Amino acid sequence: GAGVSQSPSNKVTEKGKDVELRCDPISGHTALYWYRQSLGQGLEFLIYFQGNSAPDKSGLPSDRFSAERTGGSVSTLTIQRTQQEDSAVYLCASSLQANYGYTFGSGTRLTVV
Amino acid sequence: QQPVQSPQAVILREGEDAVINCSSSKALYSVHWYRQKHGEAPVFLMILLKGGEQKGHEKISASFNEKKQQSSLYLTASQLSYSGTYFCGTASVGSGNTPLVFGKGTRLSVIA
Repeated sequence: GAGVSQSPSNKVTEKGKDVELRCDPISGHTALYWYRQSLGQGLEFLIYFQGNSAPDKSGLPSDRFSAERTGGSVSTLTIQRTQQEDSAVYLCASSLQANYGYTFGSGTRLTVV
Repeated sequence: QQPVQSPQAVILREGEDAVINCSSSKALYSVHWYRQKHGEAPVFLMILLKGGEQKGHEKISASFNEKKQQSSLYLTASQLSYSGTYFCGTASVGSGNTPLVFGKGTRLSVIA
């Protein structure tokens, strides 16, 4: 596609429920990144994919967080047993290769109530 | 390690200039600059690679001093549209293809 697409744009969920966030990167971009941004804060790295493999998942906050990427394209970030501290905007970005400029999606605003 | 940005916030009148700094304690391979407007996604401005080359984008330019592990973003003759939060993202030497580590951002407000 023309840009990075994320869905849903907004998600309100009850504490303890699981959520899935989707990212559809720019076609041909081999690198895909997930970041989290809390209100008024910077960008916190979560996980990085090169193709379908995740060489760096050091930023995942806990084992409740997982992500996968299939076909070198779409990625899904799953948060199990959501907690209120998981509330944030989850941003996905892709780049042609590592060390190229990132194109960010518009994000998914997750609110855990 | 997270780069340090300064200042945290700045207010300018239209036409004034500003400099935003980004410093790291690690040897840097590259520095990226992004601008994020309220409620929107960050937008890529430019990338500077090890070598000290200055880049330009409209009236926004940047430099990279690899000896000081520092990059500076220069905004000249600021316009209202320049308002937003500016983030630097850094990749360290020897880190391979690891993702960028972003600073906490500098909030720029341009007023008429």
